[in-house]
Amino acid sequence: DAKTTQPTSMDCAEGRAANLPCNHSTISGNEYVYWYRQIHSQGPQYIIHGLKNNETNEMASLIITEDRKSSTLILPHATLRDTAVYYCIAHNYGQNFVFGPGTRLSVLP
Amino acid sequence: DTAVSQTPKYLVTQMGNDKSIKCEQNLGHDTMYWYKQDSKKFLKIMFSYNNKELIINETVPNRFSPKSPDKAHLNLHINSLELGDSAVYFCASSQVGRATVNEQFFGPGTRLTVL
Repeated sequence: DAKTTQPTSMDCAEGRAANLPCNHSTISGNEYVYWYRQIHSQGPQYIIHGLKNNETNEMASLIITEDRKSSTLILPHATLRDTAVYYCIAHNYGQNFVFGPGTRLSVLP
Repeated sequence: DTAVSQTPKYLVTQMGNDKSIKCEQNLGHDTMYWYKQDSKKFLKIMFSYNNKELIINETVPNRFSPKSPDKAHLNLHINSLELGDSAVYFCASSQVGRATVNEQFFGPGTRLTVL
C-alpha cells in the first residue's frame, strides 16, 4: 500500500465542517483511498472510500484530487462525538490495511 | 446483536503465562483479522484468516498462534507472555472481494497487561 501523510492533529468548532487532508503522492492506479476513524477506547470504524470520483455517504464526503495525489475527508457538521483519530489509507485489493498515526481531530464546543 | 465480539475485555496476567483471547463475528464474513495496538497507538495487523486458512502472518513471533474452529471464530492464543505483549488487541472481520468494499468491522478490543 502507498504511504499516506496526515497532519498530527486538528481542531474544529462544533457544528462547523471538519476538513481532514491526506497526501498519497505515490498512490498506484489500483489503490483505493479508505478512511477509518477510531474513537477513544473503541475499535476503528469504516467511514468511506473512493478511487477517483468524489464520494458521499451518511457520515462524510471524500474529495479526491484529479491526479489522485491527495484527498480530503469532510465531516459537514462536526459534533463532539466526531472527536477521534482519523486514518487515511491507500489500499489495494488483496493487501493489508496499513494504519499510520492518523490525525487526531478534536471537536470543540 | 454485536457484530464482532471479543472476550475478555481486560486481561491482566504474569509474565510467562499462556492466555487466549476469543473473537466471534455474526456477519457471515469470510475473512477475520487480529491487530495489535501498542502504547504508541500504532495499529498493526498480526494475522488474517480467510475461510479458516491463514493467509497472512506479519512476522509475528510464533508464541502467538491464531486458531479458527470455524468461519465465525478466530481466537488468539499467546504462549509465554512477555512484558512487550502488553497492548490492546483488536479482532476484525470483512467480506473480501474485488467487487466489494473492504470494510472491516472491528471488535471492542482486549486490553492485555503483562506484569
